[in-house]
Amino acid sequence: NAGVTQTPKFRVLKTGQSMTLLCAQDMNHEYMYWYRQDPGMGLRLIHYSVGEGTTAKGEVPDGYNVSRLKKQNFLLGLESAAPSQTSVYFCASSSPDRLMVGETQYFGPGTRLLVL
Amino acid sequence: DQQVKQNSPSLSVQEGRISILNCDYTNSMFDYFLWYKKYPAEGPTFLISISSIKDKNEDGRFTVFLNKSAKHLSLHIVPSQPGDSAVYFCAATGGFQKLVFGTGTRLLVSP
Repeated sequence: NAGVTQTPKFRVLKTGQSMTLLCAQDMNHEYMYWYRQDPGMGLRLIHYSVGEGTTAKGEVPDGYNVSRLKKQNFLLGLESAAPSQTSVYFCASSSPDRLMVGETQYFGPGTRLLVL
Repeated sequence: DQQVKQNSPSLSVQEGRISILNCDYTNSMFDYFLWYKKYPAEGPTFLISISSIKDKNEDGRFTVFLNKSAKHLSLHIVPSQPGDSAVYFCAATGGFQKLVFGTGTRLLVSP
């Protein structure tokens, strides 16, 4: 099992450009999440999905869109990138029942995005 | 509004000694608390968790203590090892497994 994978690992964008970050999981998890990590801020939830075809806003959703067309994939889109979106982006997945027995979210390795 | 706070950005400990990482929270609706460990250029990995109905959970060298009245939890690592050097995030959840993270504490264990 690869677990949670993220593509690309690193990207440089110019202000105003668009891009899509891809997250894939092979654990058949229902729930998927996108976080961003900034210095001194911890991880903050951008959007999440509780199942194929569903998405919801997290703590910091502005400037991002997401889609969950397939259960195993969760895409994060930046339509018009801004320097404030320079960050490290983490995708995670989890199973609804697993948290009750101490299991939790599995994270990908991250995508480092620099917006100039 | 920081609902989960880790007030110590860094901690240095000698190998073999105890490491104590602290976390405070403000939302009494949180029902599950977790600690994650993160190495550079990697995603966070789950370390240990505790339900709000318990006050202690132990897993090998790692123990988490929860004091609900003080809205405080701590992670104890005994004995500390150089491989424990990482950033530790405290997190809490109250629904749909949406985690609220603290800002992290960087632990350095020196030989």
